Amino acid sequence: DTAVSQTPKYLVTQMGNDKSIKCEQNLGHDTMYWYKQDSKKFLKIMFSYNNKELIINETVPNRFSPKSPDKAHLNLHINSLELGDSAVYFCASSQAETGADTQYFGPGTRLTVL
Amino acid sequence: SQKIEQNSEALNIQEGKTATLTCNYTNYSPAYLQWYRQDPGRGPVFLLLIRENEKEKRKERLKVTFDTTLKQSLFHITASQPADSATYLCALPLGGYNKLIFGAGTRLAVHP
Repeated sequence: DTAVSQTPKYLVTQMGNDKSIKCEQNLGHDTMYWYKQDSKKFLKIMFSYNNKELIINETVPNRFSPKSPDKAHLNLHINSLELGDSAVYFCASSQAETGADTQYFGPGTRLTVL
Repeated sequence: SQKIEQNSEALNIQEGKTATLTCNYTNYSPAYLQWYRQDPGRGPVFLLLIRENEKEKRKERLKVTFDTTLKQSLFHITASQPADSATYLCALPLGGYNKLIFGAGTRLAVHP
């Protein structure tokens, strides 16, 4: 039974399009995250939600908008896609929003913008 | 600004030997440090967490040390196996909200 799942696994699209990536966790965690891993393999946090409230919002273009309909889901919508948005996007979750807490990652969504 | 550095892009070792990976950080005093494993095409998987008041942590063939004076963590895999081949990431918290900053990772290749 998958703990953190993401859809789709691969996303290929044209510049200028709008796309969404969905994430669901069945661990009963309160906190969820979106990370971006670029071609150099750096994993960088983008957003974090705790119980549907935004608690971390890094310096990310406002074309990226996270949405959390409930604490088990955190979706990422990207408007006007650009070439530089090509990367692997990982969703993660943890029990708490603070403290030394393990993060559980999803399998990733590889986004390719042509 | 805070920096995390992990040693070399790839570490090649023979099966059965001990692999040692390094994580150095600067301008920072983290309360804890985590190590994750990432296989190609997969998300990172948590391995170990060590707190600033702990010198060493072990889990099966894995051992992590944390030297807050040197600002360094060492990650050891003893009796390494080809199945240990992966990229290993160290991560430190920055700020109050469980925000992790990851190193670029060290790719380990264990050869039979």
